[in-house]
Amino acid sequence: SQQGEEDPQALSIQEGENATMNCSYKTSINNLQWYRQNSGRGLVHLILIRSNEREKHSGRLRVTLDTSKKSSSLLITASRAADTASYFCATDNAGNMLTFGGGTRLMVKP
Amino acid sequence: DAGVIQSPRHEVTEMGQEVTLRCKPISGHDYLFWYRQTMMRGLELLIYFNNNVPIDDSGMPEDRFSAKMPNASFSTLKIQPSEPRDSAVYFCASSFGQRTDTQYFGPGTRLTVL
Repeated sequence: SQQGEEDPQALSIQEGENATMNCSYKTSINNLQWYRQNSGRGLVHLILIRSNEREKHSGRLRVTLDTSKKSSSLLITASRAADTASYFCATDNAGNMLTFGGGTRLMVKP
Repeated sequence: DAGVIQSPRHEVTEMGQEVTLRCKPISGHDYLFWYRQTMMRGLELLIYFNNNVPIDDSGMPEDRFSAKMPNASFSTLKIQPSEPRDSAVYFCASSFGQRTDTQYFGPGTRLTVL
């Protein structure tokens, strides 16, 4: 079974709006990562947040982690058409293996 | 750095044929992963290597699948004989340091078995 599950499965917004994706997981983790996959391409690492961190920023990306709720969120501010992609969270089972969720498909309409 | 390189990018073959997918990881990376991605099952880890040694192949679906890593700069995933249900995108990824650290993915090989 997947360790991380993204929500929603699909999201459609207008350019300029913010996009929020959530990831829930089941067991304790050392870190949680977010990846992006453009159509027909491989996954690209976006950001890693460790279990002792609560928030992290990278450009227009903001990731939060709530270990008490076993959840994380990825916020993309001022979205652009180029942000259209699938976004995956990946969690490690307390250092065992990195497991990817099913992804959120984001469409940003120009 | 060229990143993870995979070949071929597309492969179309007929059922029963042997298929070999190739991967060159990023130089200096000591972990290599093979994944399969389908709409139905998402991204599945098939096998991973550490310092060229296969560590966990529990994700390999059947004996028809085999993987090798003869040296630090090359790995193959072979399917013999291939079946239509093997149609998927196969990704190779590499990482450095720990198996749960950031993984760098190749562009993938889209396999179609007719």
